[in-house]
Amino acid sequence: GAGVSQTPSNKVTEKGKYVELRCDPISGHTALYWYRQSLGQGPEFLIYFQGTGAADDSGLPNDRFFAVRPEGSVSTLKIQRTERGDSAVYLCASSPGNRGTTDTQYFGPGTRLTVL
Amino acid sequence: AQSVTQPDIHITVSEGASLELRCNYSYGATPYLFWYVQSPGQGLQLLLKYFSGDTLVQGIKGFEAEFKRSQSSFNLRKPSVHWSDAAEYFCAVGVTGQNFVFGPGTRLSVLP
Repeated sequence: GAGVSQTPSNKVTEKGKYVELRCDPISGHTALYWYRQSLGQGPEFLIYFQGTGAADDSGLPNDRFFAVRPEGSVSTLKIQRTERGDSAVYLCASSPGNRGTTDTQYFGPGTRLTVL
Repeated sequence: AQSVTQPDIHITVSEGASLELRCNYSYGATPYLFWYVQSPGQGLQLLLKYFSGDTLVQGIKGFEAEFKRSQSSFNLRKPSVHWSDAAEYFCAVGVTGQNFVFGPGTRLSVLP
């Protein structure tokens, strides 16, 4: 497809479980971003990849959150020991160049995570 | 610390009326400024962006925004709102070498 895709669109899990959220960026985009959007708030930065490496993970809230992008394309956000406070929409974006300040970021539709 | 504020949580306008959504930022350096729109069930879509040059920026769907350095503002405007413009609007700011910071958003409702 032409845009950023995210799977699953919805994920319901129980407190304490492990979840993986997938992002498929636009082909050829070297930069990839993860954001978290809680209800009634703007997206909050989590982590930024340039190629395969995490260039900035300063937004990850704690060590239960981890993300990878092993081949510089698809990325997976991993959350261990989920808590109810992790419930949010997780957004992925990609851009063709550097750190989004001049590039347009193209966003996926998001994954809605609900932790019961 | 860098911040982006959108003073209006929710705005309601009548179809055909003009619209202005406010955005203020607090940064030491000259930022890059963006407006995104988020419709229910859809991803964020870029409306327009400002990097430099002409302070009045034209975007998609008939939107425009004006950068005012003296007021640290980047307000979004549309002369005549359509029912399909009902959505959540986010102002975002980027500074070279740093990450995007989004404002809290303004929800726009449009009355028929």
